[in-house]
This record gives sequence, C-alpha cells and structure tokens, in this order.
Amino acid sequence: DSGVTQTPKHLITATGQRVTLRCSPRSGDLSVYWYQQSLDQGLQFLIQYYNGEERAKGNILERFSAQQFPDLHSELNLSSLELGDSALYFCASSDTGSVSQPQHFGDGTRLSIL
Amino acid sequence: GENVEQHPSTLSVQEGDSAVIKCTYSDSASNYFPWYKQELGKGPQLIIDIRSNVGEKKDQRIAVTLNKTAKHFSLHITETQPEDSAVYFCAASINNDMRFGAGTRLTVKP
Repeated sequence: DSGVTQTPKHLITATGQRVTLRCSPRSGDLSVYWYQQSLDQGLQFLIQYYNGEERAKGNILERFSAQQFPDLHSELNLSSLELGDSALYFCASSDTGSVSQPQHFGDGTRLSIL
Repeated sequence: GENVEQHPSTLSVQEGDSAVIKCTYSDSASNYFPWYKQELGKGPQLIIDIRSNVGEKKDQRIAVTLNKTAKHFSLHITETQPEDSAVYFCAASINNDMRFGAGTRLTVKP
C-alpha cells in the first residue's frame, strides 16, 4: 500500500461530459502529480502541484485542469470528454517540490468514455 | 524535450535466470532515473532509482546501471521469481518533467 488514495476506482461517462478525479497524497507529502496511462501513449505526466501551487506542467490538454487544496488533496477535472480520453489516470505524491524524487503512486482511476 | 526508449517490450525468462531491461534517453541534462514495477490493476511501484552522479546501485536481487556517456541505463534482476512477473517502466527526469519508457512486460516461467 503506497498510502496514496484515489477515488473513484472506475468511472463511466459519455462524450461531452465533465468528471472530477480525486487524490489524497501520502501523509506528509506536499507534492501531487497527475499522470495519464493509455495503451497507445504509455504513461504521460500531466501536471504537478506543490503545497497548493502549480509547479510543473506536462502534456495536459486545455480541457483538463487540476488544483490542490489546503489539506493537500488534489482534484483533476476533465471536461468536454472525448473517446480518446479513456485511460487510467494516476496520482502520485512525493515529499518535496522536485520532480526528481521518488514518487508514490495510487492505484488509479479507470475512465471509460462511451 | 526528453525522449526515453525502452527495450525489449516483452521478456520471458525461466525462474532463476536473470533479466535485463534497457533504456536510452536523449537529453544529457537528465539527472534522475527511477524504475517502476506495475502489477495488474495496481499503480506503478518504485523499485529502485539512480542519480546521474552514480554509476551503479544495488538492492538485493535488483540493480541499476547508468552510462551517462552513452545515455543509457539498465535494470538487472537476478534469480528471478514468478512474483517478478509484471510490467516494468524506466523513466528519466529533467527540470520539472518526468518521461517514461513504453514499458517491458516481464514473464517469469516457473
């Protein structure tokens, strides 16, 4: 058990809809990272928050946004969903603001767009 | 940006044999190289990592080597066991970006 909690485990919705994925980091960790894992593009870094502030941005679409709250949990919002957004979405956490540190992953949210 | 290539995509070994997975990276400024193991239905789990100022690191049956000149790093698993069967990912980080390899599906046959 990594200590990172993601909810929900599964999400099924339709094109054009909006969903929110939630992540609680390990106790004491200040950074939260979001990743997308799909069959054709592998594991892709989306965005990082550190202590409530955006720290780094990867291949995140404009339709996607994230935030980190004062209690350090984070939410990833996906809007105007398309079939290609179907994927596993992982959250990871680490204790510092640097990407170059061990990251601990949750078990992911599987998003299916019908 | 950084590009990470990983080989092979699948690897099958007999229990007790060694397994080697190789990755290359493109940006010489990359400074952190973790390896993750992902089992079915689970998130990636960090198994070992190495920084650019170190050439080799070992942790029991697992070792990682880094060749900065050639820009490649490798994961070595000795005395493989069936529970080592999983997908393994390498990654390289530079500045505020982490790039992953495409993964290697390792199967250890009893």
